[in-house]
Amino acid sequence: RKEVEQDPGPFNVPEGATVAFNCTYSNSASQSFFWYRQDCRKEPKLLMSVYSSGNEDGRFTAQLNRASQYISLLIRDSKLSDSATYLCVVNIRTNDYKLSFGAGTTVTVRA
Amino acid sequence: NAGVTQTPKFRILKIGQSMTLQCTQDMNHNYMYWYRQDPGMGLKLIYYSVGAGITDKGEVPNGYNVSRSTTEDFPLRLELAAPSQTSVYFCATQRVGEKLFFGSGTQLSVL
Repeated sequence: RKEVEQDPGPFNVPEGATVAFNCTYSNSASQSFFWYRQDCRKEPKLLMSVYSSGNEDGRFTAQLNRASQYISLLIRDSKLSDSATYLCVVNIRTNDYKLSFGAGTTVTVRA
Repeated sequence: NAGVTQTPKFRILKIGQSMTLQCTQDMNHNYMYWYRQDPGMGLKLIYYSVGAGITDKGEVPNGYNVSRSTTEDFPLRLELAAPSQTSVYFCATQRVGEKLFFGSGTQLSVL
């Protein structure tokens, strides 16, 4: 089993739609969870951290499900500018803050 | 405050040539990383460092070497370039437990 797994997509959605996708991780003791956004093989940029109670940042909502070992990202009211690859990032070893990346989920928002 | 600076941005090497990818940070972060990203794939960890004088292998270290003589610098050395090392390379830094900060990447082609 891979340490961090994501549905690669692509998710092709119209403007205004809601899109959601998950990321599973292998280590039940993982402590740090992030969603990063990457455009056209440029450097990844932090979209949001994921907290135990779930958190929102504008149109973006992140959730953590420790029992099933996955995190999720939901994008509401999709914009053309949301087209990107979304990377799930987790620390996969107990007491080790080194982060591992999923392969990414590609989202394309069409007009 | 420049953040994470990577040089060069682009490079073409011939098989068997050597080069060093430079990474410098001014954020006083202990953790530094080198990742590579192949087309359509996620980021794979090459080497990382938790502080000056300490380095360790990641998932794909073969063909690479690193050093960390100072907190600021973490160069990545390719000794005998091979076509399989054609990739985009990202350097990143991190304060323990917090988000990653990335450099803008180096596009390397080995022909």
